Amino acid sequence: KAGVTQTPRYLIKTRGQQVTLSCSPISGHRSVSWYQQTPGQGLQFLFEYFSETQRNKGNFPGRFSGRQFSNSRSEMNVSTLELGDSALYLCASSLNGAEAFFGQGTRLTVV
Amino acid sequence: LAKTTQPISMDSYEGQEVNITCSHNNIATNDYITWYQQFPSQGPRFIIQGYKTKVTNEVASLFIPADRKSSTLSLPRVSLSDTAVYYCLVGDILLNDMRFGAGTRLTVKP
Repeated sequence: KAGVTQTPRYLIKTRGQQVTLSCSPISGHRSVSWYQQTPGQGLQFLFEYFSETQRNKGNFPGRFSGRQFSNSRSEMNVSTLELGDSALYLCASSLNGAEAFFGQGTRLTVV
Repeated sequence: LAKTTQPISMDSYEGQEVNITCSHNNIATNDYITWYQQFPSQGPRFIIQGYKTKVTNEVASLFIPADRKSSTLSLPRVSLSDTAVYYCLVGDILLNDMRFGAGTRLTVKP
């Protein structure tokens, strides 16, 4: 079956702009989590959605938001981009929490 | 949330067994221990998960002592392709609440 698909794979944005990243989970998976990975901070949890509801949230400013649709696809949005938002954004889906399957990620560069 | 502590890096040679230990002194009753592997520019990949005692799959073994305050990931006979970062996570899987620590960078040498 198809894995977790994230689009786009690469993105370059200018400071102050906003960006929307998309994640299509594995079919049947209702939990979708988002992570930010940077060389300095490592893998940091952003938020997790289950059946269109945000269940958990990491310690990120309100500029980072997300949502999940009825088909379990998820989007995350970052507004007013800062240089420090440059990172690899990873999405993971899970059926029952036992094993999370990660996508290839979206590499965002803010210039 | 339980905080985890792992060695920052480890070196090994091909064919050796590698044991990576993770400390999680504040583990809660509902928490499971999960290990992930990550190669550069890729998302992490699930290796193994356990609650107590020993768990083994085709890739690794996970040893958890009775007090559950630590765990050890054992990789038998590593190869060069096992060079990666290994993360130990502790969390409530029912809430899918898993937080990554700094991980252990394993380098396998020929």
